[in-house]
Amino acid sequence: EAAVTQSPRNKVAVTGGKVTLSCNQTNNHNNMYWYRQDTGHGLRLIHYSYGAGSTEKGDIPDGYKASRPSQENFSLILELATPSQTSVYFCASGAGGNNQAPLFGEGTRLSVL
Amino acid sequence: GDSVTQTEGQVALSEEDFLTIHCNYSASGYPTLFWYVQYPGEGPQLLFRASRDKEKGSSRGFEATYDKGTTSFHLRKASVQESDSAVYYCALSGQGTGSKLSFGKGAKLTVSP
Repeated sequence: EAAVTQSPRNKVAVTGGKVTLSCNQTNNHNNMYWYRQDTGHGLRLIHYSYGAGSTEKGDIPDGYKASRPSQENFSLILELATPSQTSVYFCASGAGGNNQAPLFGEGTRLSVL
Repeated sequence: GDSVTQTEGQVALSEEDFLTIHCNYSASGYPTLFWYVQYPGEGPQLLFRASRDKEKGSSRGFEATYDKGTTSFHLRKASVQESDSAVYYCALSGQGTGSKLSFGKGAKLTVSP
């Protein structure tokens, strides 16, 4: 069964600390995405990838890095976390092609204190 | 750039009421349009999509028709149930963007028994 798994599901971090959010997909999809979800803003794209070794900036990349070491894994890295990065983060994978619907994970709730 | 506008942030209905959630988009050419639904504690999941002018997408009693003339993809359901309570997102994938979705801000539907 197609799946996107995120870890951790919940994370509390301190301001200035480093945070890594992980995502694994078993769908053999080329494309992977990181979104953040905030009330009043919906879902906004942070970074995405077209395959292993590639990362691209989305609409709101500042303060975030991404890493795609393999087809299955895509990480979001906050080198110096700030309270404004408190949010719910969603990873998704997609086959590519603009009529393909990405499949989402269950989300990671991050609080930066 | 591509964008999606949802005007209703909150929608409160009673069971068996008719539902309309408005979605308008801005994009060149023929983007693919999506409706996603998100239940509490879960990631967004695809409700349905449409790729061509006048195409109707539908699922679980929900439907929307792609209208290029009015750049709209409004979500409708004839008779809502309490179990339909969720957040509904309209999204688009522009031509040549490889399933990179732009989302609206979402509409939270609450249905009372």
